[in-house]
Order: sequence, then C-alpha cells, then structure tokens
Amino acid sequence: AQTVTQSQPEMSVQEAETVTLSCTYDTSESDYYLFWYKQPPSRQMILVIRQEAYKQQNATENRFSVNFQKAAKSFSLKISDSQLGDAAMYFCAYRRDIRGGKLIFGQGTELSVKP
Amino acid sequence: DAGVIQSPRHEVTEMGQEVTLRCKPISGHDYLFWYRQTMMRGLELLIYFNNNVPIDDSGMPEDRFSAKMPNASFSTLKIQPSEPRDSAVYFCASTTGDRAPYEQYFGPGTRLTVT
Repeated sequence: AQTVTQSQPEMSVQEAETVTLSCTYDTSESDYYLFWYKQPPSRQMILVIRQEAYKQQNATENRFSVNFQKAAKSFSLKISDSQLGDAAMYFCAYRRDIRGGKLIFGQGTELSVKP
Repeated sequence: DAGVIQSPRHEVTEMGQEVTLRCKPISGHDYLFWYRQTMMRGLELLIYFNNNVPIDDSGMPEDRFSAKMPNASFSTLKIQPSEPRDSAVYFCASTTGDRAPYEQYFGPGTRLTVT
C-alpha cells in the first residue's frame, strides 16, 4: 500500500525568509503524481504544485518549488520570500497515474509566518 | 464554471439523527470522490464514482454510511444514525478521465458536528 509521511507537524518562518517542508512516500508504482496542497482556515483545499514522477526536472510555481528525489522517495516543498498569506496547513499527497486514482495524503504541516 | 458545490457548509445535529451531505461536481467531470478529514485520521477517501457508478467504497467506515450518485450532476453522502465520532469535514472532489493529469477539484467542504 502507498503511504505518505510528513514528519513536521508544525513549522515557523519569518516573513520574507525561505522555509522547506518535508515529505516522504512509499510506493511500488513507477507512474504517479505528487502534490502539495494548501489548506487555509477557510478549509478550502488549494493545489500549490504538482510533480509528475516521470519528470526529472523539479516543478516550480512562482515562489513555490519542490525537490523531488525519486530514488529516495522524498518530495519537499520550498517556499521562498514567505508571505503572511502563506500561513496554512500544507498537505503532501500521492496519486497513481491512472484515471480515478485516489489521493493519499500525509498528516499535514502547519506553517506559521511571523511578521 | 462554479466549481464543485457542496451543501450545507455547516451541519450540527444530534446523535442518532440522519444527516445528508450533498455535492454537485463540475459539469463534464465523470469522476466524483468523497473524502473525510478528521484530526485522528487526517484526510482519507471514503468512496468514489465513475459515470455515476460506485467503484471503490472500501473507505466507507461502516454500514451507517451510504453514498449515491443518481445522475452526473448530483451525489449524496448519508449517515444514519449519526454518532459523535462522525464529526469531521467532508469534502467532495471531481475530475475528468479524459485527459491527464486527472486533476481533482475540491469543493469547500461540509463541517459536520454531531453532539
């Protein structure tokens, strides 16, 4: 069975600084996707970034980037120039590359941003 | 498009009562997922449908839970009778199987409180 582990229940960063959230996963599949979702207090699940397992290049979306280490089954999220609006719960998630593949989530990391 | 719509946004009920949560997926999407978020278990898949047919209900906790999708634009998740441990946020998500990466779009969630 596939599993996703986030070992940091809470993280804190100073505004304008950089923070890295960690995630490891376990799977025997070769084709899959990895995601980072943001959940602010509104509860809405917001997709931050997506990584295809077959791509060696790390995904980047503006201030958000990932470090995808396939062999180590590691998928960390780096947030640069942190902003107050980045404060939220962040979930790492895995999904097989199939139609109807279910999302498997980690336990989440609560990020606080200090002004 | 209005996105995935869920109702109600909040539901407070007493133990033993029947609760019905509703979801309208994005038009044209042929996959619909129900996820539950609790402090103890995190985010987990309850059931998903493809073309209105339940495909995987292995996450449904027990017989008190049932889900239906009578047509492509409507799904319900029913709990009867409800118990305090059912208190959680319930998310509905939809996607299309027509094109990768089969992105799942989440609704705003329903916060259920059972007293």
